[in-house]
Amino acid sequence: NAGVMQNPRHLVRRRGQEARLRCSPMKGHSHVYWYRQLPEEGLKFMVYLQKENIIDESGMPKERFSAEFPKEGPSILRIQQVVRGDSAAYFCASSLQGRDTEAFFGQGTRLTVV
Amino acid sequence: DQQVKQNSPSLSVQEGRISILNCDYTNSMFDYFLWYKKYPAEGPTFLISISSIKDKNEDGRFTVFLNKSAKHLSLHIVPSQPGDSAVYFCAAINFGNEKLTFGTGTRLTIIP
Repeated sequence: NAGVMQNPRHLVRRRGQEARLRCSPMKGHSHVYWYRQLPEEGLKFMVYLQKENIIDESGMPKERFSAEFPKEGPSILRIQQVVRGDSAAYFCASSLQGRDTEAFFGQGTRLTVV
Repeated sequence: DQQVKQNSPSLSVQEGRISILNCDYTNSMFDYFLWYKKYPAEGPTFLISISSIKDKNEDGRFTVFLNKSAKHLSLHIVPSQPGDSAVYFCAAINFGNEKLTFGTGTRLTIIP
C-alpha cells in the first residue's frame, strides 16, 4: 500500500512562472490537507479538501494560490506568478476520515523560486 | 498568532539519557494533541498522541504528558538513541474545524 505520494520532490521556477504541486493520497483516503513550511518555521496549514470540495482554505493566501482535489486524479496545489517568498517545502497529508488525526504525510515538494 | 509554541528550537541530549521536549498552547478548545518526527527531506511521521481527557500516554520509549490547566504538553524519550535525532513537531486539533495546528519544531540531537 503506497503512502502519500507527492511530485515533484523538487521544483525550481523563475519568478512569474506557475508552480503545480501534486499529491496522491493513500489508497482509500478521501481527505487531503496541504501545509507549507517556510525556512526555520513550523508547518502551517493551508487548505483542507475532500473529493471535489474545498472544506477549509483559511490558511491559503488570498491571491495566486489555489487547490483542487478532483473526483479522479491527484490533488493539485497551484501557485501562479510565483515570487521568491513562495520558496518553501509544501507537504500534503491524507486521512481516511476527516477526524482521523493520524494523517499520513507525503515527503513534500521543495519549491525554489529563482 | 502562534497557538502552539515550541520555545526550544534545539536540544542536545546524551545517548541513553532522557529527552524532554516541551510544547505550550493557547487555545483551550484543542481536543487532541500529537507529536510528529521529521527527518531531513522527508515528511513528518506520526509518533504519539494524547486526548485532552487524558494526562499521559505511553508507547515504548515515548511518553506524552498533558497538563491541561497549564496548557502544556511534553514528550519524553527514554532512553534516547542516535536514531531519535530529528525535528519534533507538536500539533493540536480542535475536532470542530478538523485541521492540525503545528508548533515550530524542536531539533533534537542525540550525542553518542
